[in-house]
Amino acid sequence: DVKVTQSSRYLVKRTGEKVFLECVQDMDHENMFWYRQDPGLGLRLIYFSYDVKMKEKGDIPEGYSVSREKKERFSLILESASTNQTSMYLCASSTTGRAETQYFGPGTRLTVL
Amino acid sequence: ELKVEQNPLFLSMQEGKNYTIYCNYSTTSDRLYWYRQDPGKSLESLFVLLSNGAVKQEGRLMASLDTKARLSTLHITAAVHDLSATYFCAGRTSGTYKYIFGTGTRLKVLA
Repeated sequence: DVKVTQSSRYLVKRTGEKVFLECVQDMDHENMFWYRQDPGLGLRLIYFSYDVKMKEKGDIPEGYSVSREKKERFSLILESASTNQTSMYLCASSTTGRAETQYFGPGTRLTVL
Repeated sequence: ELKVEQNPLFLSMQEGKNYTIYCNYSTTSDRLYWYRQDPGKSLESLFVLLSNGAVKQEGRLMASLDTKARLSTLHITAAVHDLSATYFCAGRTSGTYKYIFGTGTRLKVLA
């Protein structure tokens, strides 16, 4: 079974702090994704990566950056957390190919005070 | 730019009844996904639909895709309480890895 793990289930930070969210997948997937999920808005793509050290912006990259130094690990960084970044953050990974499917991690609920 | 709309947003139904969730998308999407999310849990993949006319079934859930109408449906047959969850559809902008999700349909099946 594909396993995608995220470093924390719950996180509370203060405005202005630098925040790291880590995601690790164990199935050698090429693609990894970071989403945020907010009520009434569904999932919105922040960034994705299709290879080590490669990244592309999603729909809402402002205020975020990412790092992918190893194939299995994809980090989301909030350089200076703000209250409007309070959300559920979901990481996903997928293979490439016709029937590719995204596999999601359990999520990190981040609260910025 | 691909946009994905689901309706209804909320659905309360009696056990044993049938219902359909609709997913419309705005431009070409080379595939259509359905996911399930239980409260406090992450998303679980249900179906991937790759071509016009594709139909997939798993238990009481059946998904179909009409690319000409830019419409996918998730049909629930004889609902049971265990199907209570939020269901998302998602498309993918052709030629990219950019997935666009609908806002979700929160389904509650009443005993």
